[in-house]
Amino acid sequence: DTGVSQDPRHKITKRGQNVTFRCDPISEHNRLYWYRQTLGQGPEFLTYFQNEAQLEKSRLLSDRFSAERPKGSFSTLEIQRTEQGDSAMYLCASSFPGGLRRGVYNEQFFGPGTRLTVL
Amino acid sequence: AQKITQTQPGMFVQEKEAVTLDCTYDTSDPSYGLFWYKQPSSGEMIFLIYQGSYDQQNATEGRYSLNFQKARKSANLVISASQLGDSAMYFCAMREGQSGGSNYKLTFGKGTLLTVNP
Repeated sequence: DTGVSQDPRHKITKRGQNVTFRCDPISEHNRLYWYRQTLGQGPEFLTYFQNEAQLEKSRLLSDRFSAERPKGSFSTLEIQRTEQGDSAMYLCASSFPGGLRRGVYNEQFFGPGTRLTVL
Repeated sequence: AQKITQTQPGMFVQEKEAVTLDCTYDTSDPSYGLFWYKQPSSGEMIFLIYQGSYDQQNATEGRYSLNFQKARKSANLVISASQLGDSAMYFCAMREGQSGGSNYKLTFGKGTLLTVNP
């Protein structure tokens, strides 16, 4: 399977603990996105990488959140001192610039997500 | 202001019938793209169909078609011949700016839960 993968798929943690999620994009996709989806809402943009550079961060990404993409391959999203409001699905997507597929340039391919529950 | 508005929290349709899911959008960028995604209960986002702001014709992809009315800023998804497997959440999304320099992030609506009845 050469799709976007995310690990873990589910995470239950207690308030105040730190958690880290991993995203492996499709090989050779140089753009990587993180989104957060809370219950009953659509995904919301968190941050974006082009290769290893983090080029944009949403205001949703408080100082308790940090994302990295060392070497421009996989990415990690860490949440420190988790709060109950952090409970959500965290989605990762990747894209390849200039790629045209089904009439779409730079189509984002989504991973299965990591569902976080903070007790 | 909401950039993407989906006014139907839930929709029901009989198997084999057609259904229209509404989406309106708001942008001042002349260059944008509109997407529809399907999200089954398993959680993954499945791309269905895309419409570019400069596309002259409405997009079609198998049983999916997009009713694009640019002046009204609407991009409704039409699913023909509904199947039981179509039951899922459906999200409309917009990407603003298609020229260089854009990060191509997607802005999503709140979604519509479609239930297909046998």
